Amino acid sequence: GDSVTQMEGPVTLSEEAFLTINCTYTATGYPSLFWYVQYPGEGLQLLLKATKADDKGSNKGFEATYRKETTSFHLEKGSVQVSDSAVYFCALSGALGGYQKVTFGTGTKLQVIP
Amino acid sequence: ETGVTQSPTHLIKTRGQQVTLRCSSQSGHNTVSWYQQALGQGPQFIFQYYREEENGRGNFPPRFSGLQFPNYSSELNVNALELDDSALYLCATKGKTGTVNTEAFFGQGTRLTVV
Repeated sequence: GDSVTQMEGPVTLSEEAFLTINCTYTATGYPSLFWYVQYPGEGLQLLLKATKADDKGSNKGFEATYRKETTSFHLEKGSVQVSDSAVYFCALSGALGGYQKVTFGTGTKLQVIP
Repeated sequence: ETGVTQSPTHLIKTRGQQVTLRCSSQSGHNTVSWYQQALGQGPQFIFQYYREEENGRGNFPPRFSGLQFPNYSSELNVNALELDDSALYLCATKGKTGTVNTEAFFGQGTRLTVV
């Protein structure tokens, strides 16, 4: 079945550092790929998405490129801020038997220190 | 703001009891899914409803059941609560199903604690 693997956390960075969170996936067909962010005590917010190979999703300075050849969707940001501290989930959505579900990775906690 | 509202936000129940969690979504979102997120884990798919019928289910026992109503609101019911049911329960809605792989819009979740 579908699965998502993302790098273990926590990741601790200084403000203005470069961020990479690795994500790889296994899926049948052509899934859509997502990054969700969860701030402490809150639900999930969609950060960015890509629906086909070579698409680049971007939002709030974050970006990720759908790489079908390496089945990856790594999240990057050039300069992180303290306010980016949160848990980031890589996810995919695929159609299966007439319904769709979102399959999530285990999450990577990011802590940005001043 | 995702337009998805869940209630209550927090809930404490005793082992063996039953619980009902609720979700309401913006008009037009006729697909609703429920997820269980244990502490420190990613959300796990419980089931999905489309036009008031369950059309997909994850690896959860039958004591997890649901309803979807004509106004697109939804309920998750859990019977015979176990300690391991303690988790954040997330509701997610989408405007279409079975066509384009659209993103899901999540509510803020209900934090259930079973003691």
